[in-house]
Amino acid sequence: EDQVTQSPEALRLQEGESSSLNCSYTVSGLRGLFWYRQDPGKGPEFLFTLYSAGEEKEKERLKATLTKKESFLHITAPKPEDSATYLCAVQAISSGSARQLTFGSGTQLTVLP
Amino acid sequence: DAGITQSPRHKVTETGTPVTLRCHQTENHRYMYWYRQDPGHGLRLIHYSYGVKDTDKGEVSDGYSVSRSKTEDFLLTLESATSSQTSVYFCAIRPGTSGNTGELFFGEGSRLTVL
Repeated sequence: EDQVTQSPEALRLQEGESSSLNCSYTVSGLRGLFWYRQDPGKGPEFLFTLYSAGEEKEKERLKATLTKKESFLHITAPKPEDSATYLCAVQAISSGSARQLTFGSGTQLTVLP
Repeated sequence: DAGITQSPRHKVTETGTPVTLRCHQTENHRYMYWYRQDPGHGLRLIHYSYGVKDTDKGEVSDGYSVSRSKTEDFLLTLESATSSQTSVYFCAIRPGTSGNTGELFFGEGSRLTVL
């Protein structure tokens, strides 16, 4: 059974205080790992895809990295508008044509001004 | 904007009543998904569809049924709602032309409360 565990559950940062969110996963053959952002009362919004260990993706203040067991979402000099819940999801090779995702519970990030 | 509309956005109902949630898309995407989101559980797949009249179960399908008679509409039905089905329900689509098969576009969600 595919599993995704995210930590911490909640994180409060001061504006400009860099940190990292963790996503640990177990999957029987990884097709891809995905990061989403979710604002309160909204649906998740896609951020990144990572396919293989060592891969990195960047977008503004966010950088996602991948190892064989976990992924990190690094947030550099965050701003209050980065406050959101960040979700990690994995897609197994065995997911077939439907390409189902298994999601973690998310990390709720609050950036204080 | 992936053109996804969920309705109703909010619903309060009583145990034992039937409930249908609708997901409407405007771009003829083949794959559509229903997820539920609960604190501590993240998003869990209920059912998905890979075409008109083609549907399959996800990991938490008990108590739910789906139908897709038109490409643009994917309906989720709770035949007899229970309190454990109180949740936020999200519809998602996967763009068929995208090589990035994990990139889903989600609707705004439907918040269901079963009393």
